[in-house]
Amino acid sequence: ILNVEQSPQSLHVQEGDSTNFTCSFPSSNFYALHWYRWETAKSPEALFVMTLNGDEKKKGRISATLNTKEGYSYLYIKGSQPEDSATYLCAFTQNFVFGPGTRLSVLP
Amino acid sequence: DTGVSQDPRHKITKRGQNVTFRCDPISEHNRLYWYRQTLGQGPEFLTYFQNEAQLEKSRLLSDRFSAERPKGSFSTLEIQRTEQGDSAMYLCASSLVSPRDTEAFFGQGTRLTVV
Repeated sequence: ILNVEQSPQSLHVQEGDSTNFTCSFPSSNFYALHWYRWETAKSPEALFVMTLNGDEKKKGRISATLNTKEGYSYLYIKGSQPEDSATYLCAFTQNFVFGPGTRLSVLP
Repeated sequence: DTGVSQDPRHKITKRGQNVTFRCDPISEHNRLYWYRQTLGQGPEFLTYFQNEAQLEKSRLLSDRFSAERPKGSFSTLEIQRTEQGDSAMYLCASSLVSPRDTEAFFGQGTRLTVV
């Protein structure tokens, strides 16, 4: 099972700021990458499933890109709101092994 | 079927006791995953099943941990001789057999406290 890294570990931004964070994974034998959002006291919820190099997915103010050749995916949040505060997880491989997550706090 | 369900939601046990958690996946999902989550960390992969076959168990934390999915439907995670360090949230998730295009759905988790 391959390991996934995420950075930064935590992030504090002001309401209205745009932000992004990174998921890094081994570039060989890419299968699929999933982004999840995990709010406190709730279960993780899927944001995006990304399968092709160059994929770009968008859901409202949140978007993600994928580079399988260099082994990274970016998650972007435009105009952060307090309700965006959560841990953002990425999962790689067909076994749903998760990275450690990026904890985002959006301050009003 | 309203989703993945886990039972119990909370468990308090004395050190040295055995505990068993149950996970009922979404009915048509072939794959079932177990994770442990400790404070401030992402879900730590433990094991997963495809139908009744346990395809990966090297990440189980010690030989005190075991999981079963005897009929390819619900699964149980057992921890024997619990230790205080086992206190955590134990999450279960399920997905279709081809997760390339599909997501995993999570249960609410079982929070274990070992006293």
